[in-house]
Amino acid sequence: KNEVEQSPQNLTAQEGEFITINCSYSVGISALHWLQQHPGGGIVSLFMLSSGKKKHGRLIATINIQEKHSSLHITASHPRDSAVYICAVPSKGGSQGNLIFGKGTKLSVKP
Amino acid sequence: DTEVTQTPKHLVMGMTNKKSLKCEQHMGHRAMYWYKQKAKKPPELMFVYSYEKLSINESVPSRFSPECPNSSLLNLHLHALQPEDSALYLCASSQEFTLPGELFFGEGSRLTVL
Repeated sequence: KNEVEQSPQNLTAQEGEFITINCSYSVGISALHWLQQHPGGGIVSLFMLSSGKKKHGRLIATINIQEKHSSLHITASHPRDSAVYICAVPSKGGSQGNLIFGKGTKLSVKP
Repeated sequence: DTEVTQTPKHLVMGMTNKKSLKCEQHMGHRAMYWYKQKAKKPPELMFVYSYEKLSINESVPSRFSPECPNSSLLNLHLHALQPEDSALYLCASSQEFTLPGELFFGEGSRLTVL
C-alpha cells in the first residue's frame, strides 16, 4: 500500500506570501493529484502530474519521480486560497480512482 | 460541461428511513466513484463503477447499495443507516478506471443520520 505524507499539516500566511506544501509517497506511481477542498465543500482537482512541472494561474505543482516527492506552490497568496490542500496517489496496483490521500494541509491566508 | 452534480446537498434521515443519493456527469466518463468523508479526515473510497459495472466494493456494509443505471448516473441507496454513517458523501468521475486521468468531484451530499 502506498503511504502519503504531507507537510506542514497547518499553515498560516499573510496575504501575498509565497506558499509551499510538500508531499512524499512511498511507492512508484503513474500520476499524483493535488486537490483543494474548502470548508464543508466538495473537492476540486488542481493538478494531475506524472513528471516535471505544471502551472495554472498562481498555482505551480512539481514532482520528482526519483525522490518520490511533489510540491504545490502558491504565489501571491490571497485569503480565497484558504482551504485544505490534499495530495493523493493511486493505491499500489489499484485503479486511478482508488487513491491514497494525504491527511491534508490546512492553509489559512490572512488579509 | 465539466461538472459532477450531486443531489441532494443535504439529507437528514432516521435509522429506519430509505433514501438515495444521486450523482450525474455528462463528460462521457466511464469510471464513477463514491467516497465517504468524515470531518477532518481524508475521503475513503467506497465503490468504483467502470463501464456501468461494479469494479470495487471496499467492504462497505450492505446498508449502502450502489446502482449505476446508465453511464451518466450513479446512485447510492441508503437503508437502515446508523448515526456513525453521518458524513459527507462525495461522487467523482474519471475518463477511465485504469488509466491516469483527472478526477472530477461533485460538491458532495452531507448526510446526517438521527
